[in-house]
Amino acid sequence: GQSLEQPSEVTAVEGAIVQINCTYQTSGFYGLSWYQQHDGGAPTFLSYNALDGLEETGRFSSFLSRSDSYGYLLLQELQMKDSASYFCAVEDAGKSTFGDGTTLTVKP
Amino acid sequence: DAGVIQSPRHEVTEMGQEVTLRCKPISGHDYLFWYRQTMMRGLELLIYFNNNVPIDDSGMPEDRFSAKMPNASFSTLKIQPSEPRDSAVYFCASVDRGSGNTIYFGEGSWLTVV
Repeated sequence: GQSLEQPSEVTAVEGAIVQINCTYQTSGFYGLSWYQQHDGGAPTFLSYNALDGLEETGRFSSFLSRSDSYGYLLLQELQMKDSASYFCAVEDAGKSTFGDGTTLTVKP
Repeated sequence: DAGVIQSPRHEVTEMGQEVTLRCKPISGHDYLFWYRQTMMRGLELLIYFNNNVPIDDSGMPEDRFSAKMPNASFSTLKIQPSEPRDSAVYFCASVDRGSGNTIYFGEGSWLTVV
């Protein structure tokens, strides 16, 4: 089966940089995805890493180390609207398993 | 495309009643997922289909839960009989694995069983 670990809560101030880590133990692994979910909304896709290294999309970057079974989501120039829950998800042969999510609170 | 469409958006029902949640995936997507989200258990994968065929239903909590996908454009998740602990947000999601790994979620069905 799959298990994913990520911090439950992170707090940062506007304009700062925050990193949300994710470690996983899986029986199979194709890649690691990240999703954002605002209160009352649906999860929306942010990024996907299949290979080791850093993927950058605007203010958001995601990193993967397959040998360490570890990844992180980096959010730069934090804005108030970035306050949300962030989920890592393991992709495995069609199946997508989500972590418990990290609640990010951005303060002025 | 209109995205993944779920109905009903909100449902309040009495314990013991049958609940049917509906989903229309994005056209052309070959995978469909049903997830359940609660504060206590997070986002749980209940079942997923590939080309309308159920692949893994190990996340379905009990025999009271069943899911079908009679064709590529429609799926149902049924709970019979419902119990208060089934209260949750149920998300349907779909993806075209041939084009990438972006999973598109519906807006969710908010179920309350009283």
